[in-house]
Parts: sequence; structure tokens; C-alpha cells
Amino acid sequence: QSVLTQPPSASGTPGQRVTISCSGSSSNIGSNTVNWYQQLPGTAPKLLIYSNNQRPSGVPDRFSGSKSGTSASLAISGLQSEDEADYYCAAWDDSLNGPWVVFGGGTKLTVL
Amino acid sequence: EVQLVESGGGLVQPGRSLRLSCAASGFTFDDYAMHWVRQAPGKGLEWVSGISWNSGSIGYADSVKGRFTISRDNAKNSLYLQMNSLRAEDTALYYCAKDMRADTVSDAFDIWGQGTMVTVSS
Repeated sequence: QSVLTQPPSASGTPGQRVTISCSGSSSNIGSNTVNWYQQLPGTAPKLLIYSNNQRPSGVPDRFSGSKSGTSASLAISGLQSEDEADYYCAAWDDSLNGPWVVFGGGTKLTVL
Repeated sequence: EVQLVESGGGLVQPGRSLRLSCAASGFTFDDYAMHWVRQAPGKGLEWVSGISWNSGSIGYADSVKGRFTISRDNAKNSLYLQMNSLRAEDTALYYCAKDMRADTVSDAFDIWGQGTMVTVSS
């Protein structure tokens, strides 16, 4: 069971806007920033969003992130077929003697 | 080209040991913290362990604490994970990942290797 909670699946049609949620607690999302990773089939994860809403160089501005309280969201606008992937949220966790970093269970995005 | 290449995975019996390596190139290795993240077959990502640039700060997931040891050799641009007392539930693809921020430890990993598979089975 993952520390951060994500819906297992999401879907949309090309051109549509989809959002993926990520819920945590006061020790992780509530007190730290959130990162999002994209994992295309058969490949290593890729950093998609860091510090809640910042995009690394090369990531299209169709991808955006936000955070409020102990929850965060990833939004993908103008959905494209190549966006079909697994998406993971992650955050630093301040729990005493706990793991440094916690991940969500992942959301499989299907482009219909 | 910035690159991380893991090695050392394989099939091992429960209770035995294995040592993973990660060779880094294309960036100043000793400026950055490094991490191991694993992914069991068909499952999500799990942070396993992290180490600061100077090995002064080290952390582990509860699931591996006391069994796994992370280390690094900055002279060799290499990261290691010594895995002892392996269990079936340690079966996973192990990724080496570079911390995004220099001179600190963070939760943003901007470069990942291709992973090395560890299978624990009798």
C-alpha cells in the first residue's frame, strides 16, 4: 500500500484535458513540494513536474501541476496518444525514521 | 551525455546477497545525491535508499532497513547497493537515480538508469 494515494486509472480522448489526483498527509504533501513522473511502457521513469508546478526543460507546457493542502494534481491538456503512460506522484516525507521519499501507487492513463 | 548504467542484478536464492552497481557519466558525480528506486513486476515505484554527495546523510525504506547498505565512490563515479538477507518480496527492477539538486538531498530525480533486474527465488 502506497503512502500517497492516486486513482489506479484515468482516460481521455485526444485533445481532451485530464487530471490525476494525489492525496497525502501532513508529513509529506502537507509540508513539502510534489513531483510527478511519467513512465512510458517499458522505459524508466522521467521527471515531469517538480516543486509542485515546475517543468524540466523539454517537457511540454501541456503538462501542469498544482498543490493544495495535502493533495496535488497533475493536469494534461490537449491530450495526445503519446501521453499514454503511468504517472506517479512523489514527495519528501518528514516522518521520524521513515523513508525520505514516498510515491503514489501510480495512475495508468489511457488515451481512447 | 548524462548517463547512469546499473549492473549486478540476477537470480539469487532467498537469504543470499547481491551487490548492485551504478556507473555515472556526463555530470559531476560528487556534486549530487543519488538514490535507488525499485519497481516490482507490474507494480509501482518504491524509493529504496538515498545517499548525499559526501555520504554524510543516508536513508533507507523501512522494508530494507538493516538488510541493504548504500554507498558511493566519488573517485570512481559509482553508486552501490549491497543487498543482504534477500527475500522474495525484494524481486524488482532496481533503478539508480540522480538527485536534481546539487549539494543537497531532495525528492526530485532528473536522471534515471535503465534498471537492473533482481529476482529472489529458490
